[in-house]
Amino acid sequence: GQQVMQIPQYQHVQEGEDFTTYCNSSTTLSNIQWYKQRPGGHPVFLIQLVKSGEVKKQKRLTFQFGEAKKNSSLHITATQTTDVGTYFCAGGYQKVTFGIGTKLQVIP
Amino acid sequence: GAVVSQHPSWVICKSGTSVKIECRSLDFQATTMFWYRQFPKQSLMLMATSNEGSKATYEQGVEKDKFLINHASLTLSTLTVTSAHPEDSSFYICSAAPEAYEQYFGPGTRLTVT
Repeated sequence: GQQVMQIPQYQHVQEGEDFTTYCNSSTTLSNIQWYKQRPGGHPVFLIQLVKSGEVKKQKRLTFQFGEAKKNSSLHITATQTTDVGTYFCAGGYQKVTFGIGTKLQVIP
Repeated sequence: GAVVSQHPSWVICKSGTSVKIECRSLDFQATTMFWYRQFPKQSLMLMATSNEGSKATYEQGVEKDKFLINHASLTLSTLTVTSAHPEDSSFYICSAAPEAYEQYFGPGTRLTVT
């Protein structure tokens, strides 16, 4: 079945530094979604990418979908303490397969 | 935005008893809801897809007789963990999608079986 891998699993950064998490699928994805889960909270939808090579930005967050639609990345510029949480990628319409997530810790 | 509620938020039960978890879409109708399980420091694992008015579709390895799902209306799905055992202790999260892809998650239910 479809597998979605995510790296790194953990990342500690100094506040103000950039952060990137990568997502790779074993199969071509129809779409990729990104979610953020704060400690103790539930996953919150951030964005969906559908087109090959698509790039979307949300303030300091930049999302990319690979040309082959098998990989994606989330880049945060100048991290803040409010960025702390676990970022999950997920592939598939309706029935999605989640990556293991990248836990981001921001050191003030 | 769309809101999904879950009840209870946490529950402790004795081994052998059954626990029912409710998932409600508060401001939209959802013909399909999803139930996930999340172990500590791990990702979400889809357990089953709940379809209003029909039987749920379970993922491979998920016992349908143990995890009973009922999608009674367009705004309510329930998950019943029957004859719970300590290994069923986990964080259970439901989600619903008013549109094709954007899933809204409930706050989750932490189940502890003693």
